[in-house]
Amino acid sequence: DAGITQSPRHKVTETGTPVTLRCHQTENHRYMYWYRQDPGHGLRLIHYSYGVKDTDKGEVSDGYSVSRSKTEDFLLTLESATSSQTSVYFCAIRGTPELETQYFGPGTRLLVL
Amino acid sequence: AQSVTQLDSHVSVSEGTPVLLRCNYSSSYSPSLFWYVQHPNKGLQLLLKYTSAATLVKGINGFEAEFKKSETSFHLTKPSAHMSDAAEYFCVVSDLLAGTASKLTFGTGTRLQVTL
Repeated sequence: DAGITQSPRHKVTETGTPVTLRCHQTENHRYMYWYRQDPGHGLRLIHYSYGVKDTDKGEVSDGYSVSRSKTEDFLLTLESATSSQTSVYFCAIRGTPELETQYFGPGTRLLVL
Repeated sequence: AQSVTQLDSHVSVSEGTPVLLRCNYSSSYSPSLFWYVQHPNKGLQLLLKYTSAATLVKGINGFEAEFKKSETSFHLTKPSAHMSDAAEYFCVVSDLLAGTASKLTFGTGTRLQVTL
């Protein structure tokens, strides 16, 4: 258990509405990540953060934005949800001192109707 | 960019028989490689990792993997399958990003079925 929680765990929303997912960690890790999981694709990186207010894009960042105003919280926002964003979203932190190992939260299942 | 290929999307074994899940990687330098497991409707759990210290890596629950540079492979094995091993397994390679961040690139997964 890497002290990662995600909220909400399940969400159903309608196309065009904004959605924010929250990732919370309790162990003061510097690096945090958002991935999405879709059948046949494994997990793909959306955005990541390497410190407070320091974020960058991953390979599938279109339609998503992130914010990190404090170390423990990393927010993922879908500005205007689309059906193609129906997915399971996982937050991860990079543990220390094993700098390349990432530990995952329990996931958020999002359905966009 | 680095990548991994999981050669089987689905593997079925009988309980008590060996497990082999195959993974090949592509990398321009010596990579860090991982296996993660995901049980149904659960998050991802780290099984084991290779970071160049030893080519044979032992993980949790009796799993191990061998890094073979000449074959660019990192296959996952277990001598005797248990029903609780039924899950999806992901082979993963770590890639470097700017600012010393790292990115994980996932294979598409292998679903392991264990039958009585």
